[in-house]
Amino acid sequence: KAGVTQTPRYLIKTRGQQVTLSCSPISGHRSVSWYQQTPGQGLQFLFEYFSETQRNKGNFPGRFSGRQFSNSRSEMNVSTLELGDSALYLCASRGAGITEAFFGQGTRLTVV
Amino acid sequence: KQEVTQIPAALSVPEGENLVLNCSFTDSAIYNLQWFRQDPGKGLTSLLLIQSSQREQTSGRLNASLDKSSGRSTLYIAASQPGDSATYLCARGSQGNLIFGKGTKLSVKP
Repeated sequence: KAGVTQTPRYLIKTRGQQVTLSCSPISGHRSVSWYQQTPGQGLQFLFEYFSETQRNKGNFPGRFSGRQFSNSRSEMNVSTLELGDSALYLCASRGAGITEAFFGQGTRLTVV
Repeated sequence: KQEVTQIPAALSVPEGENLVLNCSFTDSAIYNLQWFRQDPGKGLTSLLLIQSSQREQTSGRLNASLDKSSGRSTLYIAASQPGDSATYLCARGSQGNLIFGKGTKLSVKP
């Protein structure tokens, strides 16, 4: 059974650009959540999608957005990149209910 | 504010030692408590999930307990090995997301 797949694994972008990250959940999982991990703040929740609808949202600016497709794959977009957006972005998938979360390997974003 | 605290932030032990990692949380109305392992630069690997109705879960050399009344969870690692070296994170599950502690960085010396 395939795990959670995130692409790309690494990205280098320039300030002001935008970026799109992709996450394919475990087959059959309909919930996808996104997290940002930095050395200073640790893991922080960005948003959760379930059946193509944003169900929960963390405390991040509107530059951070996401969407989910009918096959449960999710994308996260960050516009007008800032140096502080450099982080490891992780997505997690869950099955029905409040169940065990499984994480991908993450996308390492570096903004220069 | 819901918070999760992990103490200690770092721990170094000799191989073979049994050890306990601590996790405390401020809100006892949790759905579940999940422990993860993270190797440098990698994603999170789920170790154990304890539902709010459970008191403990075991997997191999790992045992996790949950005490909602005191807002505490512990991860017990028996007979530690160098391959156990990693950062261990606990996360309390709320309705739509996980709230993470900052982790305990474990180093097991051969």
